[in-house]
Amino acid sequence: DSGVTQTPKHLITATGQRVTLRCSPRSGDLSVYWYQQSLDQGLQFLIHYYNGEERAKGNILERFSAQQFPDLHSELNLSSLELGDSALYFCASSEGTAQETQYFGPGTRLLVL
Amino acid sequence: QKEVEQDPGPLSVPEGAIVSLNCTYSNSAFQYFMWYRQYSRKGPELLMYTYSSGNKEDGRFTAQVDKSSKYISLFIRDSQPSDSATYLCAMSDSGGGADGLTFGKGTHLIIQP
Repeated sequence: DSGVTQTPKHLITATGQRVTLRCSPRSGDLSVYWYQQSLDQGLQFLIHYYNGEERAKGNILERFSAQQFPDLHSELNLSSLELGDSALYFCASSEGTAQETQYFGPGTRLLVL
Repeated sequence: QKEVEQDPGPLSVPEGAIVSLNCTYSNSAFQYFMWYRQYSRKGPELLMYTYSSGNKEDGRFTAQVDKSSKYISLFIRDSQPSDSATYLCAMSDSGGGADGLTFGKGTHLIIQP
């Protein structure tokens, strides 16, 4: 157990809908990262938050957004969902932003029908 | 050309064999190299973390980095059925991956009892 928690574990929804994925980092970690894992693209970095502020963006679509709250938990919002958004979404956390390893949560499996 | 190339396998070997897993990359700015293990339907788990070129050993696992060839390897000695998983290489040009980690697609490893 990495200490990173994610809810829900599974999510089934329809095209055009909006969903929110939640992540709680390990105790003491200030950084939260979001990744998307699909069969064809592998694990892709989406976005990084540090202590409530956005630090870096990767291959995140404009339909997707995230935030990190004062208690350091983070939410990833996915809107106008398409079939191709079906994937595993992982959250990872680390202590800071330099020379620390990232610890991954168990993931949320999203299926868009 | 993908930034990180990794043979997807599957790679099937008998129990007790030495396993060699490899990745090549194109971005010469990468300085931090990691190997993650991912069991089916679980989050990636960090196995090895290496900075720059050289070797690092941890129990049955040895990580090697050759920056001149842009090639990294993970060796598993005395392989066990419990080592059966997908192995992902990851890399970053900053210590904590503040800009996110770049992953290979993973090699599916099967250790036959």
